[in-house]
Amino acid sequence: EVQLVQSGAEVKKPGESLTISCKGSGYTFVNYWITWVRQMPGKGLEWVGRIDPRDSFSKSDPSFQGRVTISLDKSTSTVFLQWDSLKTSDTAIYYCARSFCSGGKCSDYWGQGTLVSVSS
Amino acid sequence: QTVVTQEPSLTVSPGGTVTLTCASSTETVTSAHYPSWFQQLPGQAPRPLIYSSNTKNSWTPARFSGSLLGGKAALTLSGVQPEDEATYYCLLHFIGDPVFGGGTKVTVL
Repeated sequence: EVQLVQSGAEVKKPGESLTISCKGSGYTFVNYWITWVRQMPGKGLEWVGRIDPRDSFSKSDPSFQGRVTISLDKSTSTVFLQWDSLKTSDTAIYYCARSFCSGGKCSDYWGQGTLVSVSS
Repeated sequence: QTVVTQEPSLTVSPGGTVTLTCASSTETVTSAHYPSWFQQLPGQAPRPLIYSSNTKNSWTPARFSGSLLGGKAALTLSGVQPEDEATYYCLLHFIGDPVFGGGTKVTVL
């Protein structure tokens, strides 16, 4: 059974660092991109970025570039989303999704979401 | 950045048919944009329904169908069920980066 299991909810203060994770199982990890999507409270979906597990090439939306880092650990089939210095505006649910088609343009399985709360 | 526009809300009667659309502010939507559609029920993670314009994910009920219509991507729900009440998002891939639409809240009434 294909599963993407994300790490648990986080409560942080502005300026703190954070890494959340997404662990894939039930499929060949390197054959599928992983995409990250943000959903701020009461708002719609926003594409954050994606990573190719074959070569660790990652691409982020310009609005997230410099704010987040997408990385992975092939040995544990886990993808990470990392912040060096959180802002209150990073408060949101972050979803990971398994992606395929050319350059990961299609998706099927999604994680359950990780709630990140940033407040002083 | 390109804006992707969806109807903010639509209402449909049980058993009825409704079509949601997804438009780009800068260009005609084609298969090259790999249009995808997602359903999000309250408090749940989004669930993919359609990718590459009209290909259903394995769990997508037959009453959902995707197409290209008049320069836009479209999602048609036929024989609507009460459990279809949800917010639906489209996603388009541009040369730069993918962009989600703002979502359409479908009410079954």
